[in-house]
Amino acid sequence: QSALTQPASVSGSPGQSITISCSGTTRDVGSSDHVFWYQHHPDKAPKLMIFDVYRRPSGISIRFSGSKSGNTASLTISGLQPEDEADYYCTSYTSNFMYVFGSGTKLTVL
Amino acid sequence: QVHLVQSESEVKEPGASVRLSCKASGYTSSNYFFHWVRQAPGLGLEWLGIVDPTGDITKFAQKFQGRVSVTTDTSTTTVSMDLDSLTSEDTAVYYCAGERPHTLYFESWGQGTLVTVSS
Repeated sequence: QSALTQPASVSGSPGQSITISCSGTTRDVGSSDHVFWYQHHPDKAPKLMIFDVYRRPSGISIRFSGSKSGNTASLTISGLQPEDEADYYCTSYTSNFMYVFGSGTKLTVL
Repeated sequence: QVHLVQSESEVKEPGASVRLSCKASGYTSSNYFFHWVRQAPGLGLEWLGIVDPTGDITKFAQKFQGRVSVTTDTSTTTVSMDLDSLTSEDTAVYYCAGERPHTLYFESWGQGTLVTVSS
């Protein structure tokens, strides 16, 4: 199973909004209600930010939102803050009951 | 919140095996699932597989099938994964991650174990 495709990097200034895309196939993102987004700061464990395409876990800011259209999922972060700078990974539950991660996107807050 | 504590870093020679352990605390359900995820230097996250707390139910990505095995110790709530025939491409930080039943997402993560494969 090939990794989902994400842009290698995105950037934005504090207060701005950014969107990270996650492109897959009909065997994963396109056919799954279970798309997740994780935030990963260096030398820390990843943190769940979005589950089931658009749902936020308790404690996650409303500035983080998720969506999906066809084979592409998206994570939008509004009102960028310096602490949002991290790597972001999408992952999808697949049609053969496994998981595939995205290639990862480095977010830089300018 | 479930707390996961992983074993210490390992250095192995090519062809050797490594055992990684993940001890869980703070959960009451016997149906908590554990995943293994790794990150090689400079690369992204990669899912290896899933194991239930009894070790009876496991599923691993095809590329790891045949050289991975798991053991569980319910008395110490510890899940272990053995990875055999190591190569330099197995050099990575390995995370265990926990999933509450039927949620399909990784809500808790261990601190990670660095495995270095080098001669």
